[in-house]
Amino acid sequence: NAGVTQTPKFQVLKTGQSMTLQCAQDMNHEYMSWYRQDPGMGLRLIHYSVGAGITDQGEVPNGYNVSRSTTEDFPLRLLSAAPSQTSVYFCASSDGRPPDTQYFGPGTRLTVL
Amino acid sequence: AQRVTQPEKLLSVFKGAPVELKCNYSYSGSPELFWYVQYSRQRLQLLLRHISRESIKGFTADLNKGETSFHLKKPFAQEEDSAMYYCALSALFSGGYNKLIFGAGTRLAVHP
Repeated sequence: NAGVTQTPKFQVLKTGQSMTLQCAQDMNHEYMSWYRQDPGMGLRLIHYSVGAGITDQGEVPNGYNVSRSTTEDFPLRLLSAAPSQTSVYFCASSDGRPPDTQYFGPGTRLTVL
Repeated sequence: AQRVTQPEKLLSVFKGAPVELKCNYSYSGSPELFWYVQYSRQRLQLLLRHISRESIKGFTADLNKGETSFHLKKPFAQEEDSAMYYCALSALFSGGYNKLIFGAGTRLAVHP
C-alpha cells in the first residue's frame, strides 16, 4: 500500500512552459486535493475532486487545470508557468466523510525561472 | 469568513519546557479542527483531531468554542517534537463537500 504518490519530486521550468504534476493514490479514496505550500501562507487549496469525473476550484485555481478520469489519479496541469507558481505542491486524498483525515503525498518542489 | 490563524511563526523552547501552539478559527458552522505536523524531510501527517479527544505523542488540544480556539499543548517538550505544525479547519464548501482550511503554520524548535 503506497498511499499517495507524487512525481516528479523536483522540477525547474522556464516562464511560459507547461507541465503536469502527477498524483496517484491506492486507498480507493473518493476525495483528492491539490495544495500549494508557501512560506508564511500555509497550505492553500488549488483544486479538488469528489470523485471520478467531478472537479471543482479551491482558493487559488488560476493558472492550473485538473481532471479526474479515474479514482486513482488526479494530475495537476500548469498551462503557462509563471514565477508566482514557484512553490511546493502537495496532493492529498481522503474518504471525505467527517472527520476528514487527509493523507498527503511527499510533495513536488517546483521552481519557475 | 472561514479562517484559521496561527499567530506565531516560530516557537522556540528548551527540552522539558511546556509547549502551547496557538490556533484561532473563524467559522459560522459547527467546527471540526485538526492539527497536522510535518517533520523534517517527511510528508505532512495528521497529529490529532478534536473529535477524537485523544492524546498523541503527549500532545493534546481542546476545542474552546467561546474563544474560538484550538491550542495544541504538551507539558514537556522533546527534541523530536521539532517540526512545522499546522492547525486546520474542516469547512463545508459550496456544493456540500468539506474542505480543509489551513493556518500559516508554526515552526516549533526544541533545543537541548
